[in-house]
Amino acid sequence: QQQVKQSPQSLIVQKGGIPIINCAYENTAFDYFPWYQQFPGKGPALLIAIRPDVSEKKEGRFTISFNKSAKQFSLHIMDSQPGDSATYFCAASSYGGTSYGKLTFGQGTILTVHP
Amino acid sequence: DADVTQTPRNRITKTGKRIMLECSQTKGHDRMYWYRQDPGLGLRLIYYSFDVKDINKGEISDGYSVSRQAQAKFSLSLESAIPNQTALYFCATSDRTGLNEQFFGPGTRLTVL
Repeated sequence: QQQVKQSPQSLIVQKGGIPIINCAYENTAFDYFPWYQQFPGKGPALLIAIRPDVSEKKEGRFTISFNKSAKQFSLHIMDSQPGDSATYFCAASSYGGTSYGKLTFGQGTILTVHP
Repeated sequence: DADVTQTPRNRITKTGKRIMLECSQTKGHDRMYWYRQDPGLGLRLIYYSFDVKDINKGEISDGYSVSRQAQAKFSLSLESAIPNQTALYFCATSDRTGLNEQFFGPGTRLTVL
């Protein structure tokens, strides 16, 4: 079963646009929500992460918005650049219980930013 | 600097062959993971190990086995490869403390004919 659902599967924007990638989760025990960025030929790398005690987290041009009641979170990329073109994965994990340390990933979004 | 290395990087094999993918890390992490990546399916966990004597199945372990030879080494085996195991395979590591950031290797592209 897919416990983290990610959309859209692909996204094309112009330079300077604000792409938004959405994720929804089912397991209410999840309490850690990272986003990973993957460039072609490379492994994914952590981009930004959020805990559910806050509704928003910003790091540079990247922002996570978190809605605990809706069990949804999203990634916004401000002033997107061609160098942001990559595959983005959302993920979820819990700090305790049997899921501790295991990340459940979404399906991935291929982002293309045109110059 | 390659903290997490995977060998081979590319492999083409035939149905029924036994294949081993290897992962080594110099990060000193206790935890290691094997994932496969398929278009539209994201990253799915195959097996994970929280220390040398610990092996756990992930969500798609059927047809795979693993060996944790040392803290730094974690191998994935396909006992009898089949075409639907054609995928990109990633090894990852994480520390037991902190925010559980996982560090990924560069991947192995496996093709089963």
